[in-house]
Amino acid sequence: EAQVTQNPRYLITVTGKKLTVTCSQNMNHEYMSWYRQDPGLGLRQIYYSMNVEVTDKGDVPEGYKVSRKEKRNFPLILESPSPNQTSLYFCASSNSGQTGAEQYFGPGTRLTVT
Amino acid sequence: AQSVAQPEDQVNVAEGNPLTVKCTYSVSGNPYLFWYVQYPNRGLQFLLKYITGDNLVKGSYGFEAEFNKSQTSFHLKKPSALVSDSALYFCAVRGLNYGGSQGNLIFGKGTKLSVKP
Repeated sequence: EAQVTQNPRYLITVTGKKLTVTCSQNMNHEYMSWYRQDPGLGLRQIYYSMNVEVTDKGDVPEGYKVSRKEKRNFPLILESPSPNQTSLYFCASSNSGQTGAEQYFGPGTRLTVT
Repeated sequence: AQSVAQPEDQVNVAEGNPLTVKCTYSVSGNPYLFWYVQYPNRGLQFLLKYITGDNLVKGSYGFEAEFNKSQTSFHLKKPSALVSDSALYFCAVRGLNYGGSQGNLIFGKGTKLSVKP
């Protein structure tokens, strides 16, 4: 089954404790992206990757890091989480060879930073 | 700069009645337009898209959307709403000339659709 998976689905952590949210897709997509969803703000892009070893900032990159060492994986790293990073996070992928391609979304990771 | 506006935070419809969820956009060049739906505790699911061609686009679950270039709108419609259509709906736009050949999606803030029996 074609899908985007994220782990963990739920995470409660404390300020400053480094964490990683994993994202993996099995569709051989070149393009992957991370979003955060906050009430009243919709989805905002954090980082995206056009292909392996190619990443770039989205609209709200501060406090986040990403890496793209393999085509299927695109982990999101919070090196020193803060309460304002409490949010619902989504990973997405698409076939960048088609400019009209829709994105496939993972199930989301709900992060709480206390 | 690209932008998407969904002017209604919430739309309430009675089951069986037609529904419309509004979306307007601003983008340089020709737009690629998308609608996604999010059910509670789920990720976003693709509904439909406009790339080129016929202004009326049909998608999943009986939804359709009409592209209107002069009004820069892409409203989502369904002739007869179901209770199971209750969800959060997002409009998104990608500009052809933004971010290279792929570009990035810009999402609206979402509209909550509530369909009552």
